[in-house]
Amino acid sequence: TQLLEQSPQFLSIQEGENLTVYCNSSSVFSSLQWYRQEPGEGPVLLVTVVTGGEVKKLKRLTFQFGDARKDSSLHITAAQPGDTGLYLCAGATAGSYQLTFGKGTKLSVIP
Amino acid sequence: GAVVSQHPSWVICKSGTSVKIECRSLDFQATTMFWYRQFPKQSLMLMATSNEGSKATYEQGVEKDKFLINHASLTLSTLTVTSAHPEDSSFYICSATPTDNTGELFFGEGSRLTVL
Repeated sequence: TQLLEQSPQFLSIQEGENLTVYCNSSSVFSSLQWYRQEPGEGPVLLVTVVTGGEVKKLKRLTFQFGDARKDSSLHITAAQPGDTGLYLCAGATAGSYQLTFGKGTKLSVIP
Repeated sequence: GAVVSQHPSWVICKSGTSVKIECRSLDFQATTMFWYRQFPKQSLMLMATSNEGSKATYEQGVEKDKFLINHASLTLSTLTVTSAHPEDSSFYICSATPTDNTGELFFGEGSRLTVL
């Protein structure tokens, strides 16, 4: 069974601060996706990383895929209240559409 | 982008009744759809993989007779919670992957089930 350890589980920070969310596994994934979920809604895809060492930027969000494709991180610069939500990492293995989800990081950005 | 729609968004039912939740891919065909269950403040737990024209594949611990899945067309999968009980109250989410795509999943908005 593949597991994705996501940390921290909860994070409460002041507006303007930086933060990093980590997603780690002992398994290799062909790709890793990051989602953001608002209460009462389905997850919305933020980014997919597929190459070891890949770095993708989405405005103030920076996503990195580990060289061995076993881990990933999400870094948010100058967090804003609008960044509040549940962030989920999910890994996919080659040839399968199934995703293995991390437990999620509940982020609260306080104005 | 691709859109997946779930209906209903909210449903309240009495204990012992059955509830059907629909998952539709609005602008693409999806051979495979997935059903998840999410408890408050927790991540998504995969319940089953729904394949068009064949039986669903259930994850360990998920009762197939309790959670009936039908994927009768390339754009529609349904999840029926039979003889619902209060412990079945949860947020149910579906996702679908386009038949001609290579791995991207699109999620529905979710359906909140409350069993009284």
